[in-house]
Amino acid sequence: GEDVEQSLFLSVREGDSSVINCTYTDSSSTYLYWYKQEPGAGLQLLTYIFSNMDMKQDQRLTVLLNKKDKHLSLRIADTQTGDSAIYFCADFPTDSWGKLQFGAGTQVVVTP
Amino acid sequence: DAGVTQSPTHLIKTRGQQVTLRCSPKSGHDTVSWYQQALGQGPQFIFQYYEEEERQRGNFPDRFSGHQFPNYSSELNVNALLLGDSALYLCASSLEGGRAHEQYFGPGTRLTVT
Repeated sequence: GEDVEQSLFLSVREGDSSVINCTYTDSSSTYLYWYKQEPGAGLQLLTYIFSNMDMKQDQRLTVLLNKKDKHLSLRIADTQTGDSAIYFCADFPTDSWGKLQFGAGTQVVVTP
Repeated sequence: DAGVTQSPTHLIKTRGQQVTLRCSPKSGHDTVSWYQQALGQGPQFIFQYYEEEERQRGNFPDRFSGHQFPNYSSELNVNALLLGDSALYLCASSLEGGRAHEQYFGPGTRLTVT
């Protein structure tokens, strides 16, 4: 089956940059996403990238896509305590009819 | 602009019972997807509804069923509850067509089966 894998935990100091990594296996993925989940809450769509792009920047967020290696990363510049959350990577295969496939999530802890 | 809403927020049921969860999509959206998120895991796709029909289904048994109403709202029904059905159930809405890949999630319903 298709899998999306992420590292489970990241600790970062406030003001530093965070980099969260993800690998996926489905080469037909047309879009790749980053969602944020705060404790007790639903998922917030942070950003996404189309598969024919290498990079997308949105304010403090930078998404890098290496389609050859099926590797996706999310960089958060100037990380703040409010960025502490679980971050999910997801892909959207061409024939999925809207079925997002999620990784297990990376818990990011920002320390003062 | 109302986002995706879900009800109830929390629910406690006993094994063997049946449950119905409800979702109202984001204003202007016509497609609803349901996901199950077990503790410590990523969401797993249950099924998607469009034009009041189930369009695609994940690896969930027939105990999981759903419905979409003419106003695009949706229900998820789970029969014969098992302890393993305890999870956060998330509803996501999107707009069919060019924006179908943008799915917006509700806050979820936390179901506990005892």
